[in-house]
Amino acid sequence: SVLTQPPSVSGAPGQRVTISCTGSSSNIGAGYDVHWYQQLPGTAPKLLIYGNSNRPSGVPDRFSGSKSGTSASLAITGLQAEDEADYYCQSYDSRLSVRVFGGGTKLTVL
Amino acid sequence: EVQLVESGGGLVQPGGSLRLSCSASGFTFNNYIMHWVRQAPGKGLEYVSAITSNGGSTYYADSVKGRFTISRDNSKNTLYLQMSSLRAEDTAVYYCVRVSSSWYDYWGQGTLVTVSS
Repeated sequence: SVLTQPPSVSGAPGQRVTISCTGSSSNIGAGYDVHWYQQLPGTAPKLLIYGNSNRPSGVPDRFSGSKSGTSASLAITGLQAEDEADYYCQSYDSRLSVRVFGGGTKLTVL
Repeated sequence: EVQLVESGGGLVQPGGSLRLSCSASGFTFNNYIMHWVRQAPGKGLEYVSAITSNGGSTYYADSVKGRFTISRDNSKNTLYLQMSSLRAEDTAVYYCVRVSSSWYDYWGQGTLVTVSS
């Protein structure tokens, strides 16, 4: 994938975890926004964070996003069992002229 | 409530064709750019194709260029994806997605396309 995410992360209930999304000078580093999606098992992806750090209505403030340089991060605090899902970052790549996704990160709540 | 409902998926032989549809409701369909995004079994998300709000411009991932055609009928609030010369690697769940600025704000439930003999 054009954007690189760790394949998996884990944490105990109540803990904080972060998921990184590393790009390059043709996507995140070029100033394009990063967006995050949550995909619960067996369901379609759902918008979680847009414009690097904005939460759509209904998304708990336990979820937050940030961006710096050629990378972005999703942080989840106060982990809950229902947060167990796959998480994807997405941006735009000017060299490829397409929207691009990270490979996805599976979050396991221990 | 925004709803996107895909249909048309199924089993098709390599080299065959299939047309996917996406029925939209709960918003003014002809105001929005629409995309198709797919997900191969156990894999990540992949952009497939895009169409402007009036259907005047279309775009494709290199992996499907020349084989897939995106279109829309704004009078029917419906998005289409005509797929031909299908390959095993096209096997995936295909999602219809609404575009808001640079992100995907609403996703359909997806329709599974399986290319196999």
